[in-house]
Amino acid sequence: DIQMTQSPSSLSASVGDRVTITCQASQDISNNLSWYQQKPGKAPKLLIYDASDLETGVPSKFSGRGSGTDFVFTISSLQPEDIATYYCQQYSNLPLTFGGGTKVEIK
Amino acid sequence: QEQLVESGGGVVQPGRSLRVSCAASGFTFSSYGMHWVRQAPGKGLEWVAVISHDESNKYYADSVKGRFTISRDISKNTLYLQMNSLSAEDTAVYYCAKDRKIGVRGGIFYYYYGMDVWGQGTTVTVSS
Repeated sequence: DIQMTQSPSSLSASVGDRVTITCQASQDISNNLSWYQQKPGKAPKLLIYDASDLETGVPSKFSGRGSGTDFVFTISSLQPEDIATYYCQQYSNLPLTFGGGTKVEIK
Repeated sequence: QEQLVESGGGVVQPGRSLRVSCAASGFTFSSYGMHWVRQAPGKGLEWVAVISHDESNKYYADSVKGRFTISRDISKNTLYLQMNSLSAEDTAVYYCAKDRKIGVRGGIFYYYYGMDVWGQGTTVTVSS
């Protein structure tokens, strides 16, 4: 199985800050990676697919990059509505696997 | 719009069985692979199972293999997860989710692309 290592597990940042989350795959997954946002008590929401493509309707403050084993997710300017847990997920191989999540809070 | 609605969760005793359902609408259900993903209380997301658009391919996480069965009824636009021999470790919110792309088959292989539509989840609690 492909292991997805996400870091940090939590972070606290100020409104307007640039926030960066990393995700590392245990083997080459090309660009077969998605990023999801999950707010408390809600279902996950797809933000980014194919490592860097923005899902329709998702604000452009969210972005992703990377290929192979190393990936980065960025929120360009953190807002209160961005408070959530963010997950990476690989779909290169079955079983699909998620990173452990990054909880983003406002400082 | 595309929508998924889960049902069937509840409290069940260890060792017993439960079936959860997911009603799909707003898209051509028979064209997409479908997934189950679960989330234990306070924990992260765990992918559980997938069924291909044509029902020919099913794949399970090791944690549920041999105990859970994924199926779909095209006539009812409904996805199912039959869960047998439940234990406390199966306590979670169970989400169904639609694969992001129309079903793709390359020879004997099926390809999946993550999930773009999720249901609201149904809670399964395994407790005596």
